[in-house]
Amino acid sequence: EAQVTQNPRYLITVTGKKLTVTCSQNMNHEYMSWYRQDPGLGLRQIYYSMNVEVTDKGDVPEGYKVSRKEKRNFPLILESPSPNQTSLYFCASRRDGASNQPQHFGDGTRLSIL
Amino acid sequence: GENVEQHPSTLSVQEGDSAVIKCTYSDSASNYFPWYKQELGKGPQLIIDIRSNVGEKKDQRIAVTLNKTAKHFSLHITETQPEDSAVYFCAASGLDGSYGKLTFGQGTILTVHP
Repeated sequence: EAQVTQNPRYLITVTGKKLTVTCSQNMNHEYMSWYRQDPGLGLRQIYYSMNVEVTDKGDVPEGYKVSRKEKRNFPLILESPSPNQTSLYFCASRRDGASNQPQHFGDGTRLSIL
Repeated sequence: GENVEQHPSTLSVQEGDSAVIKCTYSDSASNYFPWYKQELGKGPQLIIDIRSNVGEKKDQRIAVTLNKTAKHFSLHITETQPEDSAVYFCAASGLDGSYGKLTFGQGTILTVHP
């Protein structure tokens, strides 16, 4: 089954404690992306990756890092989490960088930073 | 960059009625317009999409219309059912430099009352 898998699904942690949210896709997609969803703001892009070792900032990249060492994996790293990063996070992938390709989403990771 | 406005933010209908959600976009170069349905605890799921060379597309009870001149597109759900209750997001995709970027609307919470 084609899917995007995120872990963990839920995490409560404290300010400053580094954390990583993993994302994996099994569709051999070149393009992957991370979004955060906040009430009334829709989904905003944090970082994206066009392919292995190719990443770039989205609209809200401050406080986040990513890496793309393998095609299937695209982890999101919060080096020093702060309360304003409490949010619902989604990883997504699509076949390539073209603008008219459907995007597939994981089921989300709810982060609470105390 | 692209800006997508979505209305209404909440929509309540009786089972069997129709529901319409409207979106406007700012970038005339955008060429792909997907609609996503997000159920509680799940990631956004693509339900229908339309490309800029098409004015209307229908899939059973769901239809999307696109007016490129006015830069707006709409989702129409007929004969609504309680299982249609969810958050719906519109999005517009166009080239941002060399890659296609998806910009989302703020979301509409649809409630269908039995």
